[in-house]
Amino acid sequence: GAGVSQTPSNKVTEKGKYVELRCDPISGHTALYWYRQSLGQGPEFLIYFQGTGAADDSGLPNDRFFAVRPEGSVSTLKIQRTERGDSAVYLCASSRQLNSPLHFGNGTRLTVT
Amino acid sequence: DQQVKQNSPSLSVQEGRISILNCDYTNSMFDYFLWYKKYPAEGPTFLISISSIKDKNEDGRFTVFLNKSAKHLSLHIVPSQPGDSAVYFCAASSGGGADGLTFGKGTHLIIQP
Repeated sequence: GAGVSQTPSNKVTEKGKYVELRCDPISGHTALYWYRQSLGQGPEFLIYFQGTGAADDSGLPNDRFFAVRPEGSVSTLKIQRTERGDSAVYLCASSRQLNSPLHFGNGTRLTVT
Repeated sequence: DQQVKQNSPSLSVQEGRISILNCDYTNSMFDYFLWYKKYPAEGPTFLISISSIKDKNEDGRFTVFLNKSAKHLSLHIVPSQPGDSAVYFCAASSGGGADGLTFGKGTHLIIQP
């Protein structure tokens, strides 16, 4: 079956611009997660949705970052006024329920110039 | 402060031999541990997990050992195969589930023919 799909796979943007990253989870998975992986590091937790609501957004680095999941399926991670330090691979994952292993997408590589 | 540590950035093992990847953690609240495997340009793939109520979990060629008193876990792969060459991430969570995982920095395993 189809896995977690993330678009675009690559995004290059200029400092100060706004970007949106999209995640299509596995059908039927209620939990959705966003992680960020910088070079040489492991994935770093950003935010987690259970259904439509953000159950834990403690990993968002600042208020330039925001994520939504309006219908409990597709999610969009939004970054305002991008900075060069935001450059990383943004990973989305979903799971069937709260205590199930995460299934990751291939990520969006964001480069801020 | 790294709560999950993988102190070996890379490990080289001959095909057919045993690969042992190590992971240490500092947060005594962690009670669920997972190993993920990652190929270049792909998202991490779930391999195997272990709950803190166990000290060993086995799945085919993969076995994870947990030593709670030492706050240490290891992944054993035997026999190692060329397709096992990848980056392996150790991850941990509290609350018994896979939400809000904390990842280590990863170990790059290279299987030599």
